[in-house]
Amino acid sequence: GQNIDQPTEMTATEGAIVQINCTYQTSGFNGLFWYQQHAGEAPTFLSYNVLDGLEEKGRFSSFLSRSKGYSYLLLKELQMKDSASYLCAVTDSNYQLIWGAGTKLIIKP
Amino acid sequence: GAVVSQHPSRVICKSGTSVKIECRSLDFQATTMFWYRQFPKQSLMLMATSNEGSKATYEQGVEKDKFLINHASLTLSTLTVTSAHPEDSSFYICSANHIEKQGTEAFFGQGTRLTVV
Repeated sequence: GQNIDQPTEMTATEGAIVQINCTYQTSGFNGLFWYQQHAGEAPTFLSYNVLDGLEEKGRFSSFLSRSKGYSYLLLKELQMKDSASYLCAVTDSNYQLIWGAGTKLIIKP
Repeated sequence: GAVVSQHPSRVICKSGTSVKIECRSLDFQATTMFWYRQFPKQSLMLMATSNEGSKATYEQGVEKDKFLINHASLTLSTLTVTSAHPEDSSFYICSANHIEKQGTEAFFGQGTRLTVV
């Protein structure tokens, strides 16, 4: 079956760095996405990785290792507004998005 | 950027009535649109895949006669919740794939908060 695992909840301090991990087992691979979702709102796109390596975009970076079925989202200089759920999603061989359950990130002052 | 508009954003209806939710891609064509349902503190659950001009593909456990999907054009898909019951209360979100960017970013509508009383 297809499976995406990510931690249910993480807590971090304002100004610090946090890494959210995602492991996946899917039928084929056509890219991995990270989305941010605030409560009651639709997800917003953060990053897309299809090749191995690190993609940096401002305070957010995303890493992918296809051989290990592993990705992480790195958030630097955390701000209170970063408190949200972070969803990992993989596009399989049929270009269908397979979603992880999401990681709720709590930022403390 | 690509914009997906979903309407209404909130709706309250009486038990037994039907509710239609629209999902429009405003500045691009979408051959495929997806309908998700999300319960509080849970991830997105794919309900069905809607393809323009053909029948929708429903995920296991989703009643096709209850959740009617119509994808009449390359820019519009609708989800109708028929004979709604309180257990249908949820957050419904659509997303669309850009016709020229298959496999890349999914563009989401704003979501619809349905409350059945």
